[in-house]
Amino acid sequence: EVQLVESGGALVRPGGSLRLSCAASGFVFSRYAMHWVRQTPGKGLVWVSYINGDGSKTDYVDSVKGRFTVSRDNAKNTLYLQMNTLGVEDTGVYFCARDLVAWGQGTLVTVSS
Amino acid sequence: DIQMTQSPSSLSASVGDSVTITCRASQGIRDDLGWYQQKPGMAPKRLIYGASILQGGVPSRFSGSGSGTEFTLTISSLQPEDFATYYCLQHNTYPVTFGQGTKVEI
Repeated sequence: EVQLVESGGALVRPGGSLRLSCAASGFVFSRYAMHWVRQTPGKGLVWVSYINGDGSKTDYVDSVKGRFTVSRDNAKNTLYLQMNTLGVEDTGVYFCARDLVAWGQGTLVTVSS
Repeated sequence: DIQMTQSPSSLSASVGDSVTITCRASQGIRDDLGWYQQKPGMAPKRLIYGASILQGGVPSRFSGSGSGTEFTLTISSLQPEDFATYYCLQHNTYPVTFGQGTKVEI
């Protein structure tokens, strides 16, 4: 069974940093592209980033380019999202998703002073 | 970026009704579109991919159609478990973009 478990969400001050993790199991992790998607409380879904199977290709929504970095450790079956210079607009539940098909349950990031 | 305009933003329906949700892309995306269902506190669940292909395990009362810029999701004979929010998603061109969502309420 495919399982994706996010962690690392927290309350952080504006300008701060956070690293999210997504632990994967139940499939050959290195064979799949992975995504991060954000959902603002009570609002819609925003795609944040993508990384291909071997980590050689990444992409980001414009609003996080230069601040967020997606990476993966295929030996540990884990996806990461390093989030720097956080702003209140980055607040939300962050989901990791395999191929945008299988999703984790999300981890809450709150950016507030 | 490709904008996905989804309508309506909400609708009220009864069990047994048929409902249709529409997504319009700001430029052609072939059939690179999926439909997702999300219930409160849960992750989105993909129902349809390739605009019209039913995800395994999804009931046949869900159907999708369209290509290019106009897409529809139809739920025939609404069941109690179908009351949720539905989103379209295009993956033709990065950034991937979602529609604004349609809340289907009783």
